[in-house]
Amino acid sequence: ETGVTQTPRHLVMGMTNKKSLKCEQHLGHNAMYWYKQSAKKPLELMFVYSLEERVENNSVPSRFSPECPNSSHLFLHLHTLQPEDSALYLCASSQDWAFMNTEAFFGQGTRLTVV
Amino acid sequence: AQKITQTQPGMFVQEKEAVTLDCTYDTSDQSYGLFWYKQPSSGEMIFLIYQGSYDEQNATEGRYSLNFQKARKSANLVISASQLGDSAMYFCAMREGGTGGFKTIFGAGTRLFVKA
Repeated sequence: ETGVTQTPRHLVMGMTNKKSLKCEQHLGHNAMYWYKQSAKKPLELMFVYSLEERVENNSVPSRFSPECPNSSHLFLHLHTLQPEDSALYLCASSQDWAFMNTEAFFGQGTRLTVV
Repeated sequence: AQKITQTQPGMFVQEKEAVTLDCTYDTSDQSYGLFWYKQPSSGEMIFLIYQGSYDEQNATEGRYSLNFQKARKSANLVISASQLGDSAMYFCAMREGGTGGFKTIFGAGTRLFVKA
């Protein structure tokens, strides 16, 4: 099993739909992250969870709603998205949010297209 | 202002040759970490190498080495003996102190093409 698994891999949704992205990590890590990767832009950190508590929320619009029910699972609930929200959404985990030298392990991402 | 700058949007290298991917960073923190990740077309970001700000030796991991020049705030990635499978996007990242913890900031990336 891969360390960080994201589902679905691809998602096409209308602007009025509600959908959820799922991320699961099997590494025993304490921190999980959502990143947005748009074409020709650096990765944007969206949310950080440490031990199931949200510790970072980088001015993300409320149409993106994260949920972390336990340290192994992270969701991103989507509703009334805009076409500019189309991007690759990457989930990552790391051993601990408070460690400087801890690398992140990424999933393969969900390619989201909003039509 | 950009914290991580990767000035090369695209790079070509001949198979078996070495290539350097540039990265400069901006921080006022004394303690920070620098990372390089590889992103193949499959989308997954793969960790390659880490350098801590207090590490005096340049980090090496197999064919990857990090040319760390602290005074210049640069952290270039050197890939030796390039292979066709090295063709991918490469991201430089910095982990610096945030509210109670560290946050990782990524550069815009460099796309590397390895020619046979």
